[in-house]
Amino acid sequence: DIQMTQSPSSLSASLGDRVTITCRASQSMSSYLNWYQQKPGKVPKLLIYDASTLQTGVPSRFSGSGSGTDFTLSISSLQPEDFATYYCQQTYSTPYTFGQGTKLEIK
Amino acid sequence: QVQLVQSGAEVKKPGASVKVSCKASGYIFTGYYIYWVRQAPGQGLEWMGWINPNSGDTNYAQKFQGRVIMTRDMSINTAYMELTRLRSDDTAEYYCARGPSSLYGMDVWGQGTTVTVSS
Repeated sequence: DIQMTQSPSSLSASLGDRVTITCRASQSMSSYLNWYQQKPGKVPKLLIYDASTLQTGVPSRFSGSGSGTDFTLSISSLQPEDFATYYCQQTYSTPYTFGQGTKLEIK
Repeated sequence: QVQLVQSGAEVKKPGASVKVSCKASGYIFTGYYIYWVRQAPGQGLEWMGWINPNSGDTNYAQKFQGRVIMTRDMSINTAYMELTRLRSDDTAEYYCARGPSSLYGMDVWGQGTTVTVSS
């Protein structure tokens, strides 16, 4: 199985900050990497697929990059609605494992 | 609009089985895989497997092999996930989600079904 490790596990930031979350895979997986946002009590929402392609309707302040084993999710200017938990997921080989999540909190 | 609507909450005893349904609407059911993901209370997301509604082919995470059965009924655009021999650590929110292929992620999710396993 491909293990996905996110860092940090939690992050405190202020409105307007730029933040970056990292996801590292235990083996190379091309660009089969997705990012999801989940707010408390809500369903996960797809933000980015294919490592860097923004899902329709997702604000452009979100961006993704990387290939192989190292990937990042960046949010350029934090808005109040961005405080949530973020998960990476690889869909290169089954089982399609998720990272453990990064909780983004307001400083 | 495109949506996946799941069946309601379930309470089961250890050793029992649960079957969760996921009804698709607003798109061509056979054109997208249906994935199942679960989330234990306060925990992260765990991928359980997928079913190809067109062929009926399935792929299960090794962890659930022998305990999970994913099926579909094309006549009513509904996918099912049955989990057998339930244990207390199967208590979780269960989600279905769709995706066109592995490259594109899971773009539409059901609302979730709470399964509680308790004696």
